[in-house]
Amino acid sequence: AQSVTQLGSHVSVSEGALVLLRCNYSSSVPPYLFWYVQYPNQGLQLLLKYTTGATLVKGINGFEAEFKKSETSFHLTKPSAHMSDAAEYFCAAYNAGNMLTFGGGTRLMVKP
Amino acid sequence: KAGVTQTPRYLIKTRGQQVTLSCSPISGHRSVSWYQQTPGQGLQFLFEYFSETQRNKGNFPGRFSGRQFSNSRSEMNVSTLELGDSALYLCASSLDPAVLTDTQYFGPGTRLTVL
Repeated sequence: AQSVTQLGSHVSVSEGALVLLRCNYSSSVPPYLFWYVQYPNQGLQLLLKYTTGATLVKGINGFEAEFKKSETSFHLTKPSAHMSDAAEYFCAAYNAGNMLTFGGGTRLMVKP
Repeated sequence: KAGVTQTPRYLIKTRGQQVTLSCSPISGHRSVSWYQQTPGQGLQFLFEYFSETQRNKGNFPGRFSGRQFSNSRSEMNVSTLELGDSALYLCASSLDPAVLTDTQYFGPGTRLTVL
């Protein structure tokens, strides 16, 4: 079964700085990968997903992620952080059995 | 199109009681999945229903059960509540996640506190 690892449970950046949230997955077969964001007291909102095709995926709110098979990675980036980006971010992969396997989450803090 | 709705949003129960949570999927979606979110264990898959049939179940005890109705609405039930069942329970709907390019859309969750 797939497992997903997010490096860094907390990431702090200054407003306007680059955001980089790391995600690695386990498998020799490219999975289907997702990034979700969770704001306090809310559910998960889809940011972007990778299925097949273009390895650079653009999502909402200026986020994008690059699928790198050689590194089994799917890191999430945003060129310039905004205060409203402060939230928890989850990387997820589909497993057999129609279930999503989530990473542990990364809490992004944005300093003014 | 309305999103996934979950009721109630907050629940407080005591140990030994049982609880039922409800989820209404996005119109046209036939699959409903349930996840438990806790600070210690993170997000864990509970089960998935499609066309009123449970297709998959995660590694949870039999106290956790669910069902799906003909209109795709789903309920999950937890019997004999334990303190460790305190969590945010998230429901997600999709057209059919057996299609791996499908996307699960999440509701706001039900926050269950067991005292």
